[in-house]
Amino acid sequence: DSGVTQTPKHLITATGQRVTLRCSPRSGDLSVYWYQQSLDQGLQFLIQYYNGEERAKGNILERFSAQQFPDLHSELNLSSLELGDSALYFCASSATHNTGELFFGEGSRLTVL
Amino acid sequence: DQQVKQNSPSLSVQEGRISIPNCDYTNSMFDYFLWYKKYPAEGPTFLISISSIKDKNEDGRFTVFLNKSAKHLSLHIVPSQPGDSAVYFCAASASSGDKLTFGTGTRLAVRP
Repeated sequence: DSGVTQTPKHLITATGQRVTLRCSPRSGDLSVYWYQQSLDQGLQFLIQYYNGEERAKGNILERFSAQQFPDLHSELNLSSLELGDSALYFCASSATHNTGELFFGEGSRLTVL
Repeated sequence: DQQVKQNSPSLSVQEGRISIPNCDYTNSMFDYFLWYKKYPAEGPTFLISISSIKDKNEDGRFTVFLNKSAKHLSLHIVPSQPGDSAVYFCAASASSGDKLTFGTGTRLAVRP
């Protein structure tokens, strides 16, 4: 158990819809990262927050947004969903903003039909 | 632009032998490298790391080698065990940046 909690574990929705994925980092970790893993692909970095502030941005679509709340949990919002958005979305946390060892949640599997 | 490449999507070895997933990187700013292991239906878990000031780091059955001139990283697992069967991801970061860049993974199967 990494200590990182992601909900929901599975989500099935239709094209055009909007979903929110939630992540609770390990106790005390200030940094939260979101990664996307499509079929047979590596982990693509989406965005990082550190203590409530956006720290780094990767290949995140404009239809996607994220935020980190004062209690340090984070949400990833995916809107106007397309079939190609079907993927595993991982949240990870670390104690600092300088990446070293990241602790990953079990992921949220999104299926867009 | 794939800055971290794992050219072997899969690897199969006999139990007790050595397994060597490896990866190549292109970004010369990368100075910290990590290996993660991922089982099905679980998130990746940290395995071992190495800083660019070293060329080898060992932790039990796992040793990571870094060849900076060739921009090549390898993980030696010896002796391999059936429980090592998983997907191994290579990752890299630059001290000037904040994100880890992952490779596409190598699926290792250790045959009993």
